[in-house]
Amino acid sequence: SQTIHQWPATLVQPVGSPLSLECTVEGTSNPNLYWYRQAAGRGLQLLFYSVGIGQISSEVPQNLSASRPQDRQFILSSKKLLLSDSGFYLCAWDRVSTEAFFGQGTRLTVV
Amino acid sequence: GQNIDQPTEMTATEGAIVQINCTYQTSGFNGLFWYQQHAGEAPTFLSYNVLDGLEEKGRFSSFLSRSKGYSYLLLKELQMKDSASYLCAVSGHLYNQGGKLIFGQGTELSVKP
Repeated sequence: SQTIHQWPATLVQPVGSPLSLECTVEGTSNPNLYWYRQAAGRGLQLLFYSVGIGQISSEVPQNLSASRPQDRQFILSSKKLLLSDSGFYLCAWDRVSTEAFFGQGTRLTVV
Repeated sequence: GQNIDQPTEMTATEGAIVQINCTYQTSGFNGLFWYQQHAGEAPTFLSYNVLDGLEEKGRFSSFLSRSKGYSYLLLKELQMKDSASYLCAVSGHLYNQGGKLIFGQGTELSVKP
């Protein structure tokens, strides 16, 4: 069966510090991978998506970057966090015309 | 560009029926999804429509009209636990491979006794 692991669940980081959130998928190959951010009471904003190793598309200009070093690994990073980077980050995977499966999410608070 | 619109919030009574609408404009279309999300949790899959018409699954049904760029989620026999955010999402073509999943802002449904 397919599973998706995302960690950590919660994170408190000071402004200006680096960030690395990791997401791994099991039980499938060559998935589409996504990073979303959700502000309180809002919908999911697509940050990055990837259709294959090393293939990253950015949806919005921002202080974040993403990498896909392996087929089932997706990493969200920042060199210097801003207060506005606070939010609920969700990793997800899908295939064309199938439902998306989400990680548990990471609650990031930048202080 | 891509745009997905749904009402910000709705209120309904326990035991009643509620319809949540979603309109979309996308550059490609691989299907429309509905997800349920409780506060602080990840979204969970409810339904998928790729052809026009109604898909029924227990108390939940979802309708799609591709020509109108319109969908709705119908919830019957509402229960208090149905209070949640309901997200409409569209999967669009991406360089003819893969799917790019875009979400609406979500509709916050409050079910009252």
